[in-house]
Amino acid sequence: KAGVTQTPRYLIKTRGQQVTLSCSPISGHRSVSWYQQTPGQGLQFLFEYFSETQRNKGNFPGRFSGRQFSNSRSEMNVSTLELGDSALYLCASSLAAQGAGELFFGEGSRLTVL
Amino acid sequence: GQQVMQIPQYQHVQEGEDFTTYCNSSTTLSNIQWYKQRPGGHPVFLIQLVKSGEVKKQKRLTFQFGEAKKNSSLHITATQTTDVGTYFCAANFGNEKLTFGTGTRLTIIP
Repeated sequence: KAGVTQTPRYLIKTRGQQVTLSCSPISGHRSVSWYQQTPGQGLQFLFEYFSETQRNKGNFPGRFSGRQFSNSRSEMNVSTLELGDSALYLCASSLAAQGAGELFFGEGSRLTVL
Repeated sequence: GQQVMQIPQYQHVQEGEDFTTYCNSSTTLSNIQWYKQRPGGHPVFLIQLVKSGEVKKQKRLTFQFGEAKKNSSLHITATQTTDVGTYFCAANFGNEKLTFGTGTRLTIIP
């Protein structure tokens, strides 16, 4: 079966712009989690959506937001981009809520902010 | 806050040597997962440990969960070049949220 699909894979933005990233989970998976990965900070949890509801949220500013659609596809948005937002953004889907079982990660969206 | 410490941050070993990475928490965990991320790739699930004192093996990999469910380790016997990557633990503190360790980057010297 198809894995987790993230688009776009690479993108370059400038400070102050906003960006929307998309994630299509594995068919049947209802949980979608988002992580920010940087060399210095490892994998930082952004938020998790389950059946269109945000279940958990990490310690990121309000500029970071997300949503999940009825088909379980999810988007995350970052507004007013800062240089420090440059990172690999990973999406992971799972059958059950986070923590209960295996996370399946996508290839990620690599964001560069100039 | 709930954090999990993972050490070492980097490990360079000669091919054929053993490798171990450790994760430690100050509070009891519900379960712990391990992931591997190859260079340029994405994290891939290896295993989940749930029971106190649990030991699981996958070929040359041995995973342990401490008796107090506060620490865990991943041991690789006789490393091979295919073992290169970053190994992450992911701790579940019972709040239905996984907290990832900072990872141990393993490099193999042929």
